[in-house]
Amino acid sequence: NAGVTQTPKFRILKIGQSMTLQCTQDMNHNYMYWYRQDPGMGLKLIYYSVGAGITDKGEVPNGYNVSRSTTEDFPLRLELAAPSQTSVYFCASSSSGRAGTGELFFGEGSRLTVL
Amino acid sequence: TQLLEQSPQFLSIQEGENLTVYCNSSSVFSSLQWYRQEPGEGPVLLVTVVTGGEVKKLKRLTFQFGDARKDSSLHITAAQPGDTGLYLCAGVATGSARQLTFGSGTQLTVLP
Repeated sequence: NAGVTQTPKFRILKIGQSMTLQCTQDMNHNYMYWYRQDPGMGLKLIYYSVGAGITDKGEVPNGYNVSRSTTEDFPLRLELAAPSQTSVYFCASSSSGRAGTGELFFGEGSRLTVL
Repeated sequence: TQLLEQSPQFLSIQEGENLTVYCNSSSVFSSLQWYRQEPGEGPVLLVTVVTGGEVKKLKRLTFQFGDARKDSSLHITAAQPGDTGLYLCAGVATGSARQLTFGSGTQLTVLP
């Protein structure tokens, strides 16, 4: 019963370093999403993908990049980490392309601290 | 400013009490969802409402979508410690680019 799996769960980066947050799902969902969650701010959409090879920007894409080479994997790349990117990152997937009607399945989150 | 405003931000009550949390907006939404999130985990979907005026019940939880589709409420009857968590509303505003917008959440603590 894996669902959506994110790695790593915790990471500390120095300013200017780069890293990739991994996300994989085993539900054969076409739609995948990356959100960040800051205290008191809810979840903000960073990037999303409607299928392998197709990605698009969300509300807060600056400083991030994504790729979707397979249906299962949707890694999020942080280039030149900044303290403003300290957050909890959630990957999610859905079988429904109609946002707001289908269920989003979330991973357990990746807590990133940039010092 | 948040497209979806949730209130209250924090709520601490005793086991057995009733409570209502609210999700309000000046925009019209084609649908609204409620999620619950526990510490160290991702949000889990509770319900989706799509019709103005719709009421859905999930055991002790009652969800309502406003007639004008600009607001929603979640009412919990006889709260239990297991109800503790962060409750998030989320929706797609009509005319938006298929993006689900989340409210900032209501942190509920139910004390035994």
